[in-house]
Amino acid sequence: DTAVSQTPKYLVTQMGNDKSIKCEQNLGHDTMYWYKQDSKKFLKIMFSYNNKELIINETVPNRFSPKSPDKAHLNLHINSLELGDSAVYFCASSPSTIAQETQYFGPGTRLLVL
Amino acid sequence: AQSVTQLGSHVSVSEGALVLLRCNYSSSVPPYLFWYVQYPNQGLQLLLKYTSAATLVKGINGFEAEFKKSETSFHLTKPSAHMSDAAEYFCAVKGTGGFKTIFGAGTRLFVKA
Repeated sequence: DTAVSQTPKYLVTQMGNDKSIKCEQNLGHDTMYWYKQDSKKFLKIMFSYNNKELIINETVPNRFSPKSPDKAHLNLHINSLELGDSAVYFCASSPSTIAQETQYFGPGTRLLVL
Repeated sequence: AQSVTQLGSHVSVSEGALVLLRCNYSSSVPPYLFWYVQYPNQGLQLLLKYTSAATLVKGINGFEAEFKKSETSFHLTKPSAHMSDAAEYFCAVKGTGGFKTIFGAGTRLFVKA
C-alpha cells in the first residue's frame, strides 16, 4: 500500500540513450512533482502537474519531458542522456497546490549515466 | 521570491545531547515553512510545518521548531538525540499563493554513541 511509488529504483545506462521513469500515487492527490537531487543532496524542482496540467516548468533541458496521463501518474522521459543527468530523481505529490500542504515523496530513482 | 539558508552542512552530536539545526528564510510574502527528513536511500518525509497557526510547532519523533519572524528563522530542535535521528534534514519554504517549494541545501546530522 505504498503511497508514492517509482519505477525503476535503479537505472544504469549509457550516454546517448533514452530512458523513462514512472511514478504513481494512490493518495488521491491532484498535484504531482518531479525533483532532481544531485550528489551534494541539493534538491531542485523540475516540473509540477495539477490535474494533468503543467504548472511548473523550471529551466530544464528540453531533453526532459514529463507526461501525466491521469492524476495518479506522472512519468519522466529523458532523451539523449548525458553524464550530468546522473542523480536521484524524486516524484512527490500533494493534495492540491495550496501552499501549506505537505508533499509526499517517493523512494527515488537512482540514475547513473556511464 | 523565497530562499532558504541552512547553516552547517554537517552537525555532529552525542547521543542524548541537544539537537539544533539552523534555518533562515527569505520571503517577500508570508511564508509557510517545513522541515523534512531524509533517511539513507529513502525519500523525504515531513517532520513538521509552520502554517501561521502557532509559532512553536511540534513534529514527529520529538522534534520541534519555532518560527521567529523578527529573526527570519525556523530552527529545528530536539532535546535528546537518538542514534535513529542520524539523517539528512531539509528546511523548505513556500510563499502564500505560490506553487513552488524551495529547499535548503540540507544538513547532515551525525549522532555519536
